[in-house]
Amino acid sequence: QKEVEQDPGPLSVPEGAIVSLNCTYSNSAFQYFMWYRQYSRKGPELLMYTYSSGNKEDGRFTAQVDKSSKYISLFIRDSQPSDSATYLCAMFTGGFQKLVFGTGTRLLVSP
Amino acid sequence: GAVVSQHPSWVICKSGTSVKIECRSLDFQATTMFWYRQFPKQSLMLMATSNEGSKATYEQGVEKDKFLINHASLTLSTLTVTSAHPEDSSFYICSSEPGQGAMGYTFGSGTRLTVV
Repeated sequence: QKEVEQDPGPLSVPEGAIVSLNCTYSNSAFQYFMWYRQYSRKGPELLMYTYSSGNKEDGRFTAQVDKSSKYISLFIRDSQPSDSATYLCAMFTGGFQKLVFGTGTRLLVSP
Repeated sequence: GAVVSQHPSWVICKSGTSVKIECRSLDFQATTMFWYRQFPKQSLMLMATSNEGSKATYEQGVEKDKFLINHASLTLSTLTVTSAHPEDSSFYICSSEPGQGAMGYTFGSGTRLTVV
């Protein structure tokens, strides 16, 4: 069993839809949770960073962490074609410990 | 924000030659640098962790003699793929954590290596 599970997709939605992306994990020691967006042939770009449980909102993006269920989510409101990319969840325990990534979910937003 | 500059963005080399990839932290001191490789449509695989002034720690299955990592300063880490072969063709990405609060890990733009 992988430490972090993420549906690879692809997830296809029309422009303007609300997108829900999710990851589950098994290591209860994870404290820091991140969502990255990666366009083809580019390095990952940090979208959201959350410590411990709770919600965080930034513009059209909302990140949720439920440590009791070992479940994290990223919501994208009013999705745009420019949001079409691969979304990676990542987490780590703290300090300079290595990131553990999900497989990434490919999102396609059609005009 | 914290920026990691990675060069080159793409490189083609002949089989048997060596290729060096550089990652520079532009506005912070990168005590630790992580090196990843990524195959098409797959997630990032951690290859090694380098700390400034000490030997890199390699993940299981990664050949340390093939993938030489140098982290001689707080702003520069390099990955050298020695005696490259076509199976080394991949996307290589570096990452570091600025250590300035809730910033998260920042990534370089990646290097696409093609060995012919």
